[in-house]
Amino acid sequence: DAGITQSPRYKITETGRQVTLMCHQTWSHSYMFWYRQDLGHGLRLIYYSAAADITDKGEVPDGYVVSRSKTENFPLTLESATRSQTSVYFCASSENPATEAFFGQGTRLTVV
Amino acid sequence: AQSVAQPEDQVNVAEGNPLTVKCTYSVSGNPYLFWYVQYPNRGLQFLLKYITGDNLVKGSYGFEAEFNKSQTSFHLKKPSALVSDSALYFCAVRDSGGNMLTFGGGTRLMVKP
Repeated sequence: DAGITQSPRYKITETGRQVTLMCHQTWSHSYMFWYRQDLGHGLRLIYYSAAADITDKGEVPDGYVVSRSKTENFPLTLESATRSQTSVYFCASSENPATEAFFGQGTRLTVV
Repeated sequence: AQSVAQPEDQVNVAEGNPLTVKCTYSVSGNPYLFWYVQYPNRGLQFLLKYITGDNLVKGSYGFEAEFNKSQTSFHLKKPSALVSDSALYFCAVRDSGGNMLTFGGGTRLMVKP
């Protein structure tokens, strides 16, 4: 199916564990983004990518790692999860700066 | 650094009345401006955008927005609100020469019958 998909939809992990959130888009969009959504903070940009093998930090990158070896995939890794990383994570993609971004359904991550 | 401000956490309006959700932005260069809506437990859906041209842009579900360069604003409007418009609304900005897409804190719209 065409679109942007995130997996898993829900994840519970323990403090200190590494966890990877997956994002896959079928449009071959150049740009991809990772956001976290928390009450009172709206959507905050974690990392973004303008093309394969090009990534850059957003507003809140600490504790996160991304890679983009293929255009269609943009995984987000929490190297050592902390409770403060409990959040809803959204992945998005866009064709170019003037086009709208399309969002995945989100991953609800709970760190216990 | 670019930024977006949505000064109202919540906007309450009666069904049938006009609604306005405010947004101001700060960006170097020419702005690309977007409005998105989020329904409970869902991702964000695109409503409308301003790239260039006419300052009044029309989008999905009867929404429109007016770009005001001098006031650096991009307020979302609808002439007659519906209960089904109740949702969380986000304004976003992108520098025409840049790669970052920055969102505001969101405004919850409550439309009461």
